[in-house]
Amino acid sequence: DGGITQSPKYLFRKEGQNVTLSCEQNLNHDAMYWYRQDPGQGLRLIYYSQIVNDFQKGDIAEGYSVSREKKESFPLTVTSAQKNPTAFYLCAIKANTEAFFGQGTRLTVV
Amino acid sequence: AQSVTQLGSHVSVSEGALVLLRCNYSSSVPPYLFWYVQYPNQGLQLLLKYTTGATLVKGINGFEAEFKKSETSFHLTKPSAHMSDAAEYFCAVRSDFPAAGSYQLTFGKGTKLSVIP
Repeated sequence: DGGITQSPKYLFRKEGQNVTLSCEQNLNHDAMYWYRQDPGQGLRLIYYSQIVNDFQKGDIAEGYSVSREKKESFPLTVTSAQKNPTAFYLCAIKANTEAFFGQGTRLTVV
Repeated sequence: AQSVTQLGSHVSVSEGALVLLRCNYSSSVPPYLFWYVQYPNQGLQLLLKYTTGATLVKGINGFEAEFKKSETSFHLTKPSAHMSDAAEYFCAVRSDFPAAGSYQLTFGKGTKLSVIP
């Protein structure tokens, strides 16, 4: 929030298609993170990036890919290999003490 | 490894009643602790945080939390619930990686608060 923009807010995907979720920030922070949220399971870390051109797998990276070509942007691609992609996806930046989150993208497979 | 346990996935209170959401954590070092609130189809918003110093911390919307090291707890309270407090609340603990100059947040599974008129 406040400088972290996720788009689109709602996204529908057909089975077998790849889809890319956008996360942009103008807060000049190096560290950016992607989380997946499912009801009753809290937030699970997919990928994170500490610096441009570098990123690391989180706890549930299978079926996802990311890039970090610019400091401001950290897009997440949900590939056809992700067996259950329907979820709420949250992007965050890590400030000195705490994390700040975007408004999320709700992805639904139809 | 750090972990967070939130007791009760759903809590219902009457409007005007005390709100108490429970959070216990495990940490091998003095923790940084957080409470976030999430309204439907929105991101997480920071309610309050404990880093160092005073163990009773006050946050937005009249919420407060007390860090109790002996009990490894960081329960969230509000004296009088309002309808607008209905949301999901997440407790989180921070794990530092000094060599990398970074940290990770570990979240609890969340507690959904309902406020009954």
